[in-house]
Formats: sequence, structure tokens, C-alpha cells
Amino acid sequence: GDSVTQMEGPVTLSEEAFLTINCTYTATGYPSLFWYVQYPGEGLQLLLKATKADDKGSNKGFEATYRKETTSFHLEKGSVQVSDSAVYFCALMGSGGSNYKLTFGKGTLLTVNP
Amino acid sequence: NAGVMQNPRHLVRRRGQEARLRCSPMKGHSHVYWYRQLPEEGLKFMVYLQKENIIDESGMPKERFSAEFPKEGPSILRIQQVVRGDSAAYFCASSRTSGGRTDTQYFGPGTRLTVL
Repeated sequence: GDSVTQMEGPVTLSEEAFLTINCTYTATGYPSLFWYVQYPGEGLQLLLKATKADDKGSNKGFEATYRKETTSFHLEKGSVQVSDSAVYFCALMGSGGSNYKLTFGKGTLLTVNP
Repeated sequence: NAGVMQNPRHLVRRRGQEARLRCSPMKGHSHVYWYRQLPEEGLKFMVYLQKENIIDESGMPKERFSAEFPKEGPSILRIQQVVRGDSAAYFCASSRTSGGRTDTQYFGPGTRLTVL
């Protein structure tokens, strides 16, 4: 079945550091890929998405590129801020009959220190 | 436009009691999804409902768990005779159309269930 593996945390960075959170997936067909972010005490918010190979999703300075050849969707940001501290979830939505189910990774806790 | 609402945010039950979790989708959304997050795990799909219909309940335990989305009112996830292993965060999401690659699921803040 579909699965998502993402970098285990926690990740601790200083403000303005470069961020990479690795995510790889296993799925048949052509899934859509997502990054969700969960701030403390809140629900998950969609951060960015990509629906086909080589697409780049971007939002709020975050980027991720859908790499079919390496089955990856790594999240990057050039300069993190304290306000980026949150849990980040990589997820996929399959392309088959159940194309409404999101399959999530376990989440990566990011803490950014001033 | 209010987001997805869930209540209660925290729920404590003793073993054997019933838990009822409520979810009000975003305005204009008629598709609701429930996910469960066990400690140290990612979110796992439980059930997908449209108004008055269960579309897919393949992720929901066969016993003690049920879900509904009536014509009027919120979606309800009901857990009967709770056990300690039911302790988790339960998230509801909603979407405008029939789900799929081009539609976004919007998530609520979750209900954290603790079974004593």
C-alpha cells in the first residue's frame, strides 16, 4: 500500500538557518504530494502541494519539488524564522479509486531558536 | 469564513464509557473525513462521509466505532466502550467537492481523547 517516510525529528535550528526535511514515498501510479504544517494547539494547514512530476510547490518561502525518479518531495526553506516552529507532515494522495485518502508521514518537529 | 470546527478539544473518559466527537465542516463543504493520530504516529484515515452517506469506512475499526454525517448538524464520530488504546488525537477534515487530486482537505484543530 501507499506509504510516506519522513525525516525523524526533532530538528532544532537557529534563526536564518537553511532547512531541509526529507520525505520519500511509495505509491502506485501518480500520487499528489503535500506538506502540511501544524502550529501548537492548532489543526493541520496545507503548506504546499504538487500534483505531477517535476512540479514545484511553494508558499511562505518554503519549496518542495516532486521528484518521481527518486520518489521524493523534500521540504526546503532558505532562512527559517522563530515563527516557523511547528510540526511538518509530508503526505500523499493516491491516484487510484481511493483518491481522497491522505497518507501521512509521522511528522517532524521543528524548533527555531532566536 | 470559519474553518473546520471540532469539539470538544479535549475529552477524558473512563474505560467502558462512550465518546462522542463532533465536527462541523467549513461552510459550503459537504465532504467530511476523519483521521486518527496515535502517539508517535502519523495521521491515519478512518472514514469518508458525504451528507447522510458513508462512502468509505475502511480505516475504521469494525467494532465500537461508528460515524455519521446527518442532513442537518455536525458529523459525529462515536466510540462505544472506550479502551486505553483509543487514546489519540482525532482530526476531522472537510472539502468542497468529491475529494481527489485537485481538492484540498481543510483540517480542524482535533479532539484529544484520553481514556483513563
